[in-house]
Amino acid sequence: GENVEQHPSTLSVQEGDSAVIKCTYSDSASNYFPWYKQELGKRPQLIIDIRSNVGEKKDQRIAVTLNKTAKHFSLHITETQPEDSAVYFCAAENMDSNYQLIWGAGTKLIIKP
Amino acid sequence: IAGITQAPTSQILAAGRRMTLRCTQDMRHNAMYWYRQDLGLGLRLIHYSNTAGTTGKGEVPDGYSVSRANTDDFPLTLASAVPSQTSVYFCASSDFTSGGDTQYFGPGTRLTVL
Repeated sequence: GENVEQHPSTLSVQEGDSAVIKCTYSDSASNYFPWYKQELGKRPQLIIDIRSNVGEKKDQRIAVTLNKTAKHFSLHITETQPEDSAVYFCAAENMDSNYQLIWGAGTKLIIKP
Repeated sequence: IAGITQAPTSQILAAGRRMTLRCTQDMRHNAMYWYRQDLGLGLRLIHYSNTAGTTGKGEVPDGYSVSRANTDDFPLTLASAVPSQTSVYFCASSDFTSGGDTQYFGPGTRLTVL
């Protein structure tokens, strides 16, 4: 079955700098890759997603890139701000798992003032 | 519009007791999910339902059961709770079509089994 690995587990960056979180997946049939943000004590919320027919997607300071050959996708946050501090989860979905999301373990992003 | 709600917010339960976690959504989403989230780990799928009347097993279904009698409700039952079931439980829903659908999460239930 699908396996998703996420790195790093913790990332600390200076406010204003960029942050990059990377996920690798095992099943080449996976075709949908969302990223969720979970603030402390809150519920996860979708921030951006990408489908396998697209290599990159941007939404203001957030972007996701997908490399299907290498089976990895990354979240890029530019000009980080204190409100970006949270745990970020990647996930992968494919038809073989009946479209259920397989989740990475999460990355705790800390923005230093 | 409430979106998706869960009850109770938190619960302390003696081992061996039966417990039902409730989840209700008013978005008319056809798909619903139950996850558990343990400290330092990601979200692990327990059970899901792609439409009312059907359910499926996720990654960690043992010790849990679900039912989906209607579109709005998706209760999760622990028949005989064990300490390893101590976790935060999230219910989610989505407008399932053919995959790639946003999942909307409830606020979570913090369960402690002693």
